[in-house]
Amino acid sequence: AQKITQTQPGMFVQEKEAVTLDCTYDTSDPSYGLFWYKQPSSGEMIFLIYQGSYDQQNATEGRYSLNFQKARKSANLVISASQLGDSAMYFCAMRGGGGSNYKLTFGKGTLLTVNP
Amino acid sequence: DAGITQSPRHKVTETGTPVTLRCHQTENHRYMYWYRQDPGHGLRLIHYSYGVKDTDKGEVSDGYSVSRSKTEDFLLTLESATSSQTSVYFCATSDGGTAAYEQYFGPGTRLTVT
Repeated sequence: AQKITQTQPGMFVQEKEAVTLDCTYDTSDPSYGLFWYKQPSSGEMIFLIYQGSYDQQNATEGRYSLNFQKARKSANLVISASQLGDSAMYFCAMRGGGGSNYKLTFGKGTLLTVNP
Repeated sequence: DAGITQSPRHKVTETGTPVTLRCHQTENHRYMYWYRQDPGHGLRLIHYSYGVKDTDKGEVSDGYSVSRSKTEDFLLTLESATSSQTSVYFCATSDGGTAAYEQYFGPGTRLTVT
């Protein structure tokens, strides 16, 4: 069984500072992938970044980077230069291998508040 | 973004009535999913489909059924709605091609069972 743990129910950050949102995972599949999604107060789910378990380098997408530490089973999201529009709920999710290749397991989320 | 619509967007129904939620996609994606989102639980997979008429259960499938008669439509039915099924329901799709694991989400349906 796969499990995603997000231990920070809420985080606060000052505008223009960097922030790290934690995510740890558990799986017995050798092949898996990790995702981060953003859910603003309007409710839609927005894909941010993806990291495959065999990817050699950490994924980056603009101001988002994924700090992937395989041995520690962590996949933290780093947001650089926070903006007010980054205030949202953030979900970490994982896909498994084999028959679970296309199903996602989500964490409970972290609510990020960016202060001016 | 994938064109995914959900209908209705909001619904209030009474306990014991059947309810059907519809998800429609225009991207010809192979995979479709239904999730529910509840405070403190994140998103949980109810059912998913890996092709027309091919469906399987997710983590929280009890009390729900699905059907997919066309590539573009995925229906979620609450056979006899209960108050515990009050939730926000999201449909998602994915292409299923090599390394194309990203799921695209619809806008959600807010269901209230009274």
